[in-house]
Amino acid sequence: RKEVEQDPGPFNVPEGATVAFNCTYSNSASQSFFWYRQDCRKEPKLLMSVYSSGNEDGRFTAQLNRASQYISLLIRDSKLSDSATYLCVAYSGGGADGLTFGKGTHLIIQP
Amino acid sequence: NAGVMQNPRHLVRRRGQEARLRCSPMKGHSHVYWYRQLPEEGLKFMVYLQKENIIDESGMPKERFSAEFPKEGPSILRIQQVVRGDSAAYFCASSPVPVGEPEQYFGPGTRLTVT
Repeated sequence: RKEVEQDPGPFNVPEGATVAFNCTYSNSASQSFFWYRQDCRKEPKLLMSVYSSGNEDGRFTAQLNRASQYISLLIRDSKLSDSATYLCVAYSGGGADGLTFGKGTHLIIQP
Repeated sequence: NAGVMQNPRHLVRRRGQEARLRCSPMKGHSHVYWYRQLPEEGLKFMVYLQKENIIDESGMPKERFSAEFPKEGPSILRIQQVVRGDSAAYFCASSPVPVGEPEQYFGPGTRLTVT
């Protein structure tokens, strides 16, 4: 069974701090990974794609550990606008059914 | 370039009625995916369509649910004889190529409430 597990949180973090959370996946055949951001009652929006060991985009860094089957997302210098739910997604190939979404980690940045 | 459009944004139906959810993909996108998100749950894949073809419906409930993507017009997700458990947010996504390559773009979703 394909599963993607995330700590639901909420993570309460002061503005300006660094926060990191992990996502574990059970399907060792997973090829690529994505982090999506979902604001309350809105659609998911792609934040980062992770195809190899990791990816960095500004304040956001995603890292992949295939041996331990987890992906992490690190947010530096957090902003109030980073408050959202972060969805981890694993893709194992075979088409649309190969995408498995985690339930998300809820992040709250506090002033 | 308008994004993925879904309508209605909110839909209220009584038990036993039919619900029709519409999705217009981004311009130039020929791949459409439907997902369901229950409260406090992750997104669950339902069906993947291309124009006039259902490619993968492995996530669709066996009864009452159907989807189409006609040659002209939006993709339709149809739920017959709705029950309270169908209450959820239904998201449509589109991509220019099959999933797993460039990312999917999600629509704003339709929130279905069954009373």
